[in-house]
Amino acid sequence: SAVISQKPSRDICQRGTSLTIQCQVDSQVTMMFWYRQQPGQSLTLIATANQGSEATYESGFVIDKFPISRPNLTFSTLTVSNMSPEDSSIYLCSVDLTSGGINEQFFGPGTRLTVL
Amino acid sequence: DAKTTQPTSMDCAEGRAANLPCNHSTISGNEYVYWYRQIHSQGPQYIIHGLKNNETNEMASLIITEDRKSSTLILPHATLRDTAVYYCIVQGTYKYIFGTGTRLKVLA
Repeated sequence: SAVISQKPSRDICQRGTSLTIQCQVDSQVTMMFWYRQQPGQSLTLIATANQGSEATYESGFVIDKFPISRPNLTFSTLTVSNMSPEDSSIYLCSVDLTSGGINEQFFGPGTRLTVL
Repeated sequence: DAKTTQPTSMDCAEGRAANLPCNHSTISGNEYVYWYRQIHSQGPQYIIHGLKNNETNEMASLIITEDRKSSTLILPHATLRDTAVYYCIVQGTYKYIFGTGTRLKVLA
């Protein structure tokens, strides 16, 4: 298993500003993922972040809006840039652990972002 | 990745079995069925997964039909703390694609 922490746990931000969310894992992992969960909705994958390579973004998400860093095997950041109220969501990171050929994802507690 | 279809919501009496269905008619042979749940907007929590055989662990049982086009998650004795959104995910690549999930409400 993996223990994942995120900072901040919540924040209230002004329109036009940027927020960087940190994700820390207690073990080394190759694959990390960032999700967005808008109010009352399911989780939507933003991007996959592998250490040593550029993040891979899903359709509808771009690097200029959601730049991601992955400096080592235990840490990643997601920045929400030039925020608008539509960016108000919970942002979650997760890691993929493979055991016996089976993938399992472990999720962080999430960062609740409100944009005014 | 295959798409999943789940009922939007379900109620279950406390102490009774909760049976949550999931349709995944486009599943391919190497794709696993995973179940997660999310309580009060916390991070999703793993419950169980399977490929073609039925599976059971301390939390739940997973019944997969022979043609693998649908599955049912069974919580044998639901408690109030099982109230959550339950997601059925079909995973072939490393990515999880979440559907809308089923909001299960366990009633006292």
